[in-house]
Amino acid sequence: DAGVTQSPTHLIKTRGQQVTLRCSPKSGHDTVSWYQQALGQGPQFIFQYYEEEERQRGNFPDRFSGHQFPNYSSELNVNALLLGDSALYLCASSRSPLVYEQYFGPGTRLTVT
Amino acid sequence: DAKTTQPNSMESNEEEPVHLPCNHSTISGTDYIHWYRQLPSQGPEYVIHGLTSNVNNRMASLAIAEDRKSSTLILHRATLRDAAVYYCILRGTASKLTFGTGTRLQVTL
Repeated sequence: DAGVTQSPTHLIKTRGQQVTLRCSPKSGHDTVSWYQQALGQGPQFIFQYYEEEERQRGNFPDRFSGHQFPNYSSELNVNALLLGDSALYLCASSRSPLVYEQYFGPGTRLTVT
Repeated sequence: DAKTTQPNSMESNEEEPVHLPCNHSTISGTDYIHWYRQLPSQGPEYVIHGLTSNVNNRMASLAIAEDRKSSTLILHRATLRDAAVYYCILRGTASKLTFGTGTRLQVTL
């Protein structure tokens, strides 16, 4: 049983560019959350998707947007990249929004130069 | 979100028990106490959670103070594989997790 998978593993972008990160949830999970983890910090909640809609959002600007597909996979899009967007982006899935246990993927390391 | 306070780092010898403390003096009655850990180069991993009573699972035990203002994660026999950052998180009705900076646990032979 595959766990949460994310692609790509690493990515280097230039300031002002746009990026799309992808996540496939664990089998049987329908809820996907995205987190940003800066170096030396704990992960920060970006948003959560359930039933193809954004259900909760953290304190992130509109440059951060997402999508969930009918197969429950999800994308995180970041527009107009800033140097401060350099971080590890983590995807987490759960069996429903009401289930507390979340399973995290290994993350995508984004570097903005 | 209610705040948690954890020591920045702790050390333990292998095969010894480890007690990781967490203070959460502003916890509300509906907040669950969750623990996650993050091994090097991996995403966080669920460890355990509880509301009022002490909890045990195959990974660890969670001891919750009677007034719920503090809790302790107990690893009964630390191994080198337990070296990680341990996060204590309070979670209310919202399903998002609010991480702090956690406790970095170092395990030595």
